Amino acid sequence: KAGVTQTPRYLIKTRGQQVTLSCSPISGHRSVSWYQQTPGQGLQFLFEYFSETQRNKGNFPGRFSGRQFSNSRSEMNVSTLELGDSALYLCASSLRQGVGYTFGSGTRLTVV
Amino acid sequence: GDSVTQMEGPVTLSEEACLTINCTYTATGYPSLFWYVQYPGEGLQLLLKATKADDKGSNKGFEATYRKETTSFHLEKGSVQVSDSAVYFCALSVVIKAAGNKLTFGGGTRVLVKP
Repeated sequence: KAGVTQTPRYLIKTRGQQVTLSCSPISGHRSVSWYQQTPGQGLQFLFEYFSETQRNKGNFPGRFSGRQFSNSRSEMNVSTLELGDSALYLCASSLRQGVGYTFGSGTRLTVV
Repeated sequence: GDSVTQMEGPVTLSEEACLTINCTYTATGYPSLFWYVQYPGEGLQLLLKATKADDKGSNKGFEATYRKETTSFHLEKGSVQVSDSAVYFCALSVVIKAAGNKLTFGGGTRVLVKP
């Protein structure tokens, strides 16, 4: 059974650009969540999608957005990149609420 | 709001030593509790979980018991190996119907096991 797949693994972008990250959940998992991991702030929740609807959102500016497709694949977009957006972005999928999430290997974003 | 506090590291141990990582939480509802582990350059792997009071989660020699009275979920292993060197995260999730759920993480504890 394939795990959670995130692409790309590494990205280098310039301040002011925008970026799109992709996540393919485990087959059958309809819930997809995104987290940002930085040395200073640790792991912070970005948003969760279920059946193409955003169900929950963390405390991030509107530059951070996401969506989920009918096949449960999800993308997150960050516009007008800032240096502070440099982080490991982790995607996780779940079969149902409360049973825990399976995480992907993450996308390492570096903003220069 | 929900929060998780875990002991800061790094924790440095010799092989075959006992490991305990303390974790306490505050939650607005009745949480499920988790321990995740992160190896260098990788994402998070679920190590163990417990969904109700007095449940004991266990996996790969690690154990943690859901203590509602002390709001704790301490991680323990009786004999660590070099391969256990990683960062360990305690997390909770409170299910809110129709509003989804999210994981709230502690700050992580880096463990280094020396041969």
